[in-house]
Amino acid sequence: GAVVSQHPSWVICKSGTSVKIECRSLDFQATTMFWYRQFPKQSLMLMATSNEGSKATYEQGVEKDKFLINHASLTLSTLTVTSAHPEDSSFYICSVTPGVAGQETQYFGPGTRLLVL
Amino acid sequence: AQTVTQSQPEMSVQEAETVTLSCTYDTSENNYYLFWYKQPPSRQMILVIRQEAYKQQNATENRFSVNFQKAAKSFSLKISDSQLGDTAMYFCAFMKPGANSKLTFGKGITLSVRP
Repeated sequence: GAVVSQHPSWVICKSGTSVKIECRSLDFQATTMFWYRQFPKQSLMLMATSNEGSKATYEQGVEKDKFLINHASLTLSTLTVTSAHPEDSSFYICSVTPGVAGQETQYFGPGTRLLVL
Repeated sequence: AQTVTQSQPEMSVQEAETVTLSCTYDTSENNYYLFWYKQPPSRQMILVIRQEAYKQQNATENRFSVNFQKAAKSFSLKISDSQLGDTAMYFCAFMKPGANSKLTFGKGITLSVRP
């Protein structure tokens, strides 16, 4: 499987600040990356799909101005939580896929725990 | 739209025994992929097994195997010789073929392996 890293693994911030989370595909070029949010003991909720060099596609109900996604290269996507508030506290996970037909398997990063005080 | 149902929220199994986790799905597609992912307490999502719908043969990965019943839209995971490290949440997921295809997850099941 693919090796995916996320940074940071833990972040605590004050309400009103912005937080950037990086997702890197370490061993293949990821045409497509996905960002998820997960609450404890619940399933993953897809937030957005990002493709290298184009704008992300957000799921219904996800504020695009709140959660800024940039996929500037085939190995890096970033999620910025702008003006974070306590309700944004969650576990954020990215996944990558080669984006090639027949190789649609998603490989996940280790996740980032965000706590907004 | 596709749906994935995992109706059992929790299960428990004795170490070294076998356990089966259930999953059903609903789709009008004929070709698709099905997955089982494991999420241990570290919360890292780990791919356990993948099944392609056009393949009749059930996928296996060491102690993990699936029972794929396409007509019944059932995709259960069997874990043999359960180990303490198998304690985790397990998610069943569905995906249509395609470069930007999304995963549709079930709610997950928490499996505890007792020593």
